[in-house]
Amino acid sequence: DAGVIQSPRHEVTEMGQEVTLRCKPISGHNSLFWYRQTMMRGLELLIYFNNNVPIDDSGMPEDRFSAKMPNASFSTLKIQPSEPRDSAVYFCASRRLAGGNEQFFGPGTRLTVL
Amino acid sequence: AQSVTQPDIHITVSEGASLELRCNYSYGATPYLFWYVQSPGQGLQLLLKYFSGDTLVQGIKGFEAEFKRSQSSFNLRKPSVHWSDAAEYFCAVGPNNAGNMLTFGGGTRLMVKP
Repeated sequence: DAGVIQSPRHEVTEMGQEVTLRCKPISGHNSLFWYRQTMMRGLELLIYFNNNVPIDDSGMPEDRFSAKMPNASFSTLKIQPSEPRDSAVYFCASRRLAGGNEQFFGPGTRLTVL
Repeated sequence: AQSVTQPDIHITVSEGASLELRCNYSYGATPYLFWYVQSPGQGLQLLLKYFSGDTLVQGIKGFEAEFKRSQSSFNLRKPSVHWSDAAEYFCAVGPNNAGNMLTFGGGTRLMVKP
């Protein structure tokens, strides 16, 4: 079975540019999470969706960040405009709501904003 | 509110030695408990989980963990560490009803000496 798929794996951009990160959850999973990981702050939950509906976005840093889940097999995290402090590894994770809360993580997208 | 504490930020052990990584949690009811491992440049991989029943749970790669309700702990153990176990380890706690998020500890970075 394919795991959680994230693209791109690496992204280098310049300050002020728009960045879009993509995630395809595991087939059959109906809950999706976006996390950010940095050395300074560790692993932070940004937002999560159940059945494509955002449940908790309190971790989204500011209005520059937005996330969508238009269908059960695709989600995006957008940063516009990007800033150097957004540099981090962004992880997507998915789970099956009836599966006991176990999350499966993607390989991450390493974002560098110059 | 739920919380997870991993008191040891870094641990170094010799190859072949035993290992115990500590995890303490705060949660008002019976939690679901997890240990994840993150190798450099990779996403988080589930090692083991506790939902109910036997308080000693076995996981992949020879790891086990013991749930001790009286101590609010879920420590991870391995009798003999291999060099490939060098990674970062995360403990997580969540409610026993799917649909809500997990809370992750700050992680413990394990280094293995030859």
